[in-house]
Parts: sequence; C-alpha cells; structure tokens
Amino acid sequence: SQELEQSPQSLIVQEGKNLTINCTSSKTLYGLYWYKQKYGEGLIFLMMLQKGGEEKSHEKITAKLDEKKQQSSLHITASQPSHAGIYLCGADIYTNAGKSTFGDGTTLTVKP
Amino acid sequence: DGGITQSPKYLFRKEGQNVTLSCEQNLNHDAMYWYRQDPGQGLRLIYYSQIVNDFQKGDIAEGYSVSREKKESFPLTVTSAQKNPTAFYLCASRAAAGSYEQYFGPGTRLTVT
Repeated sequence: SQELEQSPQSLIVQEGKNLTINCTSSKTLYGLYWYKQKYGEGLIFLMMLQKGGEEKSHEKITAKLDEKKQQSSLHITASQPSHAGIYLCGADIYTNAGKSTFGDGTTLTVKP
Repeated sequence: DGGITQSPKYLFRKEGQNVTLSCEQNLNHDAMYWYRQDPGQGLRLIYYSQIVNDFQKGDIAEGYSVSREKKESFPLTVTSAQKNPTAFYLCASRAAAGSYEQYFGPGTRLTVT
C-alpha cells in the first residue's frame, strides 16, 4: 500500500540477532496493528498501538508508535527460528472509516 | 472456541464460472471484511460490512459481490467478470468499526484455469 510503507521487504538474520521492521505513513494513524502470517495461512494479531509514544511488548517482540503517530517499529530481540514468517502492519488511517490499510509485509527468515 | 472459519481451504474452478467463498464467525462481531493477497504483496480490501444488510466496496471490488444477510456470515462470490481471480482470499472480522484488531480466518486459495 502506498498509504502505509513497510520496510524492509525481506530480512534474513542469524538466530540470536536483533532486528527491526518499520511501518510509515504520511498521514496520522488512529490505530496501528502488527500481525504475523505463516505462508498460506491467516494473520495472527500481535499488538495494537493507539497513543503517540506508546510502546508494547510481548515476549521478545516490542512495538512502538512515534509521538506524531505516523511511524511504528517492530523490534525482535534475540531472534529464533519460530519468529520466521511474514510481518504486516495495518492501520486505521481515516478515523471511523471502518476499514484498515495494510503494508506489503516483511518476510523474515531466521537462520539457525 | 470462538473464531472465523473459511471453506474450503483450496478451490479450483474453470474460467467463466462463478464461485462463492464461505466465511463464518461466531465472535459476535459487527464488522466483516474480505481481502485478496497476491504473492509478495500485502492485503487489498475487496468488500467490507459494518452491520447486517449493509456493505461497502473496498479498493478492488470489480468482479466480486457479497451479501450480509446474517451477522455471522459474509460470503464472497468471485464472478466471471474478475479478470485475474487466482489468489489467496482472507476473511476477517472485528468487534466494531474503529480501533479494534481484526481476527482473520485461515484463508481460501482459489485457482482458476
């Protein structure tokens, strides 16, 4: 999606390394969501961020939303093979529009 | 267990035939969505419904149709007018319009030859 730019497109890391995935918009994000997808399967919800400066963590994954609510990052600490998959960010760009916009996804490969 | 079911997992059709993909949720969610995902790409919104008996076109509605006669069901018909129907189709629901996460079904992979 051009409204929501995700980078990098793909990432290959050695097991145990840290990594960051970014999601950027030129518009204010009213709700920012991170999902994980295994190839050929549905999306699994990871975290939702709503407030500028908000940060949430779950196990070794941390997501942040900047103060201007236009950029989010997903950081994985000490990556493991179980972290491999496609990570997608989704956002509510228009308040109360009822629909979300998604980034194109980041394919993460973790080499043992 | 609450969740979203999509059936079938794999679907094969001949060109020129209409095909209907099933999506059912027992989460009591008001809003439901249909997305299309092509290899290496994110999700593109086909149709969405925020309430029973009402739905709106998404970004790529041409060649598709939907109905929302019941809260728990949101079937998608891929018509013969859809020029490139082979894709992975995902259904999702959320509690209501607004800032709630979406819950996704397992997807249906449609192949049209």
